[in-house]
Amino acid sequence: EAGVAQSPRYKIIEKRQSVAFWCNPISGHATLYWYQQILGQGPKLLIQFQNNGVVDDSQLPKDRFSAERLKGVDSTLKIQPAKLEDSAVYLCASSSRRPRADTQYFGPGTRLTVL
Amino acid sequence: KNQVEQSPQSLIILEGKNCTLQCNYTVSPFSNLRWYKQDTGRGPVSLTIMTFSENTKSNGRYTATLDADTKQSSLHITASQLSDSASYICVVTGFQKLVFGTGTRLLVSP
Repeated sequence: EAGVAQSPRYKIIEKRQSVAFWCNPISGHATLYWYQQILGQGPKLLIQFQNNGVVDDSQLPKDRFSAERLKGVDSTLKIQPAKLEDSAVYLCASSSRRPRADTQYFGPGTRLTVL
Repeated sequence: KNQVEQSPQSLIILEGKNCTLQCNYTVSPFSNLRWYKQDTGRGPVSLTIMTFSENTKSNGRYTATLDADTKQSSLHITASQLSDSASYICVVTGFQKLVFGTGTRLLVSP
């Protein structure tokens, strides 16, 4: 079974620039998550999708972050404009059962550096 | 407030030695507790999952324990190997929400 795919793996941008990350979940997984993991900390949930609908985006900084999951499969996370404090690893995860949170399978992450 | 605290923050042990990582939580209601291993530059990978009624779960050299009364969990690693060097994250599921600990960074030295 193929795992969660993410791209790019690394991205370096200057502050105030825009950036987008892509995630392809495990086939058949209805739930998709985007996390932000700052160095030395645990992952923080940014947004959770159930199919193509948003379940939880309470911690998403909506003034600069946006995410979509068209057709309930792939997802993109965008930051516009980026700030220095956005430097982190952005993890995508997917799971196969709701309503209870089942084991989440994580992708390798995208490491973002904002200069 | 739902929180998961882990200790120690970091740990260095010699190859072949055992170690125990701690996790205390205040998440309520409680659904389950997972331990994840996160290698540098990779996403977390699930090691064990325990529900309220389970007090121990093993996965190879990894053994997790859960005391739901005191809201404590531990992860014991036996006969450590260099490949065990990673961050270990305790994750507690509450009402449809996952609460992540900040992790323990383990370094196994030859």
